[in-house]
Amino acid sequence: QTVVTQEPSFSVSPGGTVTLTCGLSSGSVSTSHYPSWYQQTPGQAPRTLIYTTNTRSSGVPDRFSGSILGNKAALTITGAQADDESDYYCVLYMGGGIWVFGGGTKLTVL
Amino acid sequence: QVQLVESGGGVVQPGGSLRLSCAASGFSLTNYGMRWVRQAPGKGLEWVASIRRDGSKNNYADSVKGRFTISRDTSKNTLHLQMNSLRPEDTAVYYCAKGGTTGTCYFDYWGQGSLVTVSS
Repeated sequence: QTVVTQEPSFSVSPGGTVTLTCGLSSGSVSTSHYPSWYQQTPGQAPRTLIYTTNTRSSGVPDRFSGSILGNKAALTITGAQADDESDYYCVLYMGGGIWVFGGGTKLTVL
Repeated sequence: QVQLVESGGGVVQPGGSLRLSCAASGFSLTNYGMRWVRQAPGKGLEWVASIRRDGSKNNYADSVKGRFTISRDTSKNTLHLQMNSLRPEDTAVYYCAKGGTTGTCYFDYWGQGSLVTVSS
């Protein structure tokens, strides 16, 4: 069974930079997994941030960026702001119309 | 603009059935793949089911295979999720999501979610 791994929690100072990662329990993440990233605050639907590894969704500030770092997908937030405090989820496309979400990272800005 | 509005959630007993609907506007279901994603209370997101834009093939997570069916009514531009043999672990907020353009393989727009509670 494929497991997508994310850091359970992360902390960043206001104005700081943080990189969240998205890996596979076995194997490497590549652009062929079409990694995408979503932001969710409590009680709200997810918001799409990044798709196809590094394309920002409409209206997403350019301080959010996506990449492949080593064998993982990565979401970098540059100049973190208080309202970036959210849960962040990555999802990988496994082919054949099947996706697997990571467990999510709870980001604290303090 | 794109809008997705889910309905049909509620409380159902274990073993029961429920059908969720997702009314889409601002685009045609025949042009985009559609997905269902759920989130159990206090837990993360889980992909549940997907349907291609041409309606040719449906896919399901192992946790719901054989019990859930994704379908669409193109005349009403509405997506459905028929859920049978419901279990307490199916309790979750269910989101419908629009796919992106061909070859992007992501979740473009999301509905506000519909809560399904399976409990006796």
